[in-house]
Amino acid sequence: QSALTQPASVSGSPGQSITISCAGASSDIGFYNSVSWYQQHPGKAPKLMIYEVTDRPSGVSNRFSGSMSGNTASLTISGLQAEDEADYYCASYTTTRTRVFGTGTKVTV
Amino acid sequence: QVQLQESGPGLVKPSETLSLTCSVSGDSISNSNWGWTRQPPGKGLEWIGIIFDSGKTNYNPSLESRVSISVDTSKNQFALRLTSVTAADTAVYYCARGARWSDYWGQGTLVSVSS
Repeated sequence: QSALTQPASVSGSPGQSITISCAGASSDIGFYNSVSWYQQHPGKAPKLMIYEVTDRPSGVSNRFSGSMSGNTASLTISGLQAEDEADYYCASYTTTRTRVFGTGTKVTV
Repeated sequence: QVQLQESGPGLVKPSETLSLTCSVSGDSISNSNWGWTRQPPGKGLEWIGIIFDSGKTNYNPSLESRVSISVDTSKNQFALRLTSVTAADTAVYYCARGARWSDYWGQGTLVSVSS
């Protein structure tokens, strides 16, 4: 299974909105509505930010939102804050009941 | 609150077997799906595999011939075994809950493969 494709880096100023794309295939993103997004600060474990494409776990800011079109998912961070500076990974469930992660995006504020 | 904690050797010799355990509190190991993900230094996340509440397992095709995941319900733990390791298996190994997504993660443990 091939890793999902994300841009290596995205940057924005405080208060702005940014969008991170995650391109997959019909065997993963395009098949299941099961895309998740993770935030990872240096030296820390990943943190679930979005699941099932658009759902937010309790405690995650509503500045984070997810969407999907065809075989591509997206994470939008609105009202960018300094604390949002981190690495972000998408992931998708696949037709073989495995999971594949994206290549990762470094967000700079 | 669900908590996970990885444990195991931090150094493994090439060609030997890497064995890690994940201790779970706040949830029954029998009620959920549990998996492993790793991250080589300076690189991205790589999904290793999952054990479903049914006991069935699925693995990353690139690791399938060398990996196994099992549970110990008496200790509320699950384990990872990776055989015939090489330097390419050096990584931080994370255990986590969930199959379609992972909502709780361990802090991660660095395993280095070196003689």
